Amino acid sequence: DVKVTQSSRYLVKRTGEKVFLECVQDMDHENMFWYRQDPGLGLRLIYFSYDVKMKEKGDIPEGYSVSREKKERFSLILESASTNQTSMYLCASSFDRMYSYEQYFGPGTRLTVT
Amino acid sequence: DAKTTQPTSMDCAEGRAANLPCNHSTISGNEYVYWYRQIHSQGPQYIIHGLKNNETNEMASLIITEDRKSSTLILPHATLRDTAVYYCIAEGAGYSTLTFGKGTMLLVSP
Repeated sequence: DVKVTQSSRYLVKRTGEKVFLECVQDMDHENMFWYRQDPGLGLRLIYFSYDVKMKEKGDIPEGYSVSREKKERFSLILESASTNQTSMYLCASSFDRMYSYEQYFGPGTRLTVT
Repeated sequence: DAKTTQPTSMDCAEGRAANLPCNHSTISGNEYVYWYRQIHSQGPQYIIHGLKNNETNEMASLIITEDRKSSTLILPHATLRDTAVYYCIAEGAGYSTLTFGKGTMLLVSP
């Protein structure tokens, strides 16, 4: 079974703090994704990566950065957390470009910024 | 991306088959039909996908009509743990954001 793990299920941070969210997948997938999910707004893509050290902006990259130093690990960084970044953050992975919509998600990190 | 239409909610008795319909009348020839579900407070879960042939895996079966304008996801023996929102999407190959519509809220009752 594909396993995607995220570093925390719940996180509370203060405004202005730097926040690191980590995601690890164990299926040697090429692609990794970071989404946020908010009520009424659905799933929104922040960044994705199709190879080590490669990254592409999604629909809402402002205020976020990412790092992919190893194939299995994709990190999301909030440089200076703000209250409007309170959300559920979801990491996903997929095998390759052809199967990019067959995505396997982690359990999510519910981040609260106060 | 083809637009999909699903019923807002459905009920199913535990142990019975759950048949979830999806309409995708504008689907193009290279777009696959994907199904996901999301249990409350959990990440979305990939279920199955298909192009034009019927597909089956350990979780579900996918029946796509011959004209590809609609499909049905079948959970053969629904359990309480299958209570979730089910999303049908139609996408081609390549990179784009995975976009869910409102989906169908399936409630499985004892």
